[in-house]
Amino acid sequence: AQSVTQLDSQVPVFEEAPVELRCNYSSSVSVYLFWYVQYPNQGLQLLLKYLSGSTLVKGINGFEAEFNKSQTSFHLRKPSVHISDTAEYFCAVRDQGGSEKLVFGKGTKLTVNP
Amino acid sequence: EAQVTQNPRYLITVTGKKLTVTCSQNMNHEYMSWYRQDPGLGLRQIYYSMNVEVTDKGDVPEGYKVSRKEKRNFPLILESPSPNQTSLYFCASSSRNTIYFGEGSWLTVV
Repeated sequence: AQSVTQLDSQVPVFEEAPVELRCNYSSSVSVYLFWYVQYPNQGLQLLLKYLSGSTLVKGINGFEAEFNKSQTSFHLRKPSVHISDTAEYFCAVRDQGGSEKLVFGKGTKLTVNP
Repeated sequence: EAQVTQNPRYLITVTGKKLTVTCSQNMNHEYMSWYRQDPGLGLRQIYYSMNVEVTDKGDVPEGYKVSRKEKRNFPLILESPSPNQTSLYFCASSSRNTIYFGEGSWLTVV
């Protein structure tokens, strides 16, 4: 079984500052990794996903994440955030085998202040 | 356009009054699932279905039922809702590594 730990439940930053949202996972099998964003009172939107290949994955809205197999991490980064990035971010994992079940972390609330 | 459609989007209901949240997908996916989202807990899988007439429990199935009589539909049934089922519910449909979520159903049980 997989599990996901998002190390920070809340991250406040100032506008134009860089941000890193941390995600660690646990799994006995190879996995695929995902980051989703949820803006206030909205549904889920896929930011990016790692399936294979390059460990640095670029997503929408200037976000990127790096898969580190040895550290079982998939941290999300953005070099300069905007007020509009204020949202909740979810890291998720699923195994590469038959199950299509997504296991989510508990979320990180990013608040960008002026 | 690939779509997962949930209804209702918003509902306030009373304890014990049976309700059904419908979910429909237009992508001919075999795998569908339901998640609930609660503050501080992230999303947790309630039930899933690998194909027509094949359903199984996820991590938090208590108080819920599902059915999969047709490939496109996967309704979530709350036979006797209780306040602890107040939550945001997402239906999902997936194939290989592409997962589509519905827009969510905000359910309040009073």
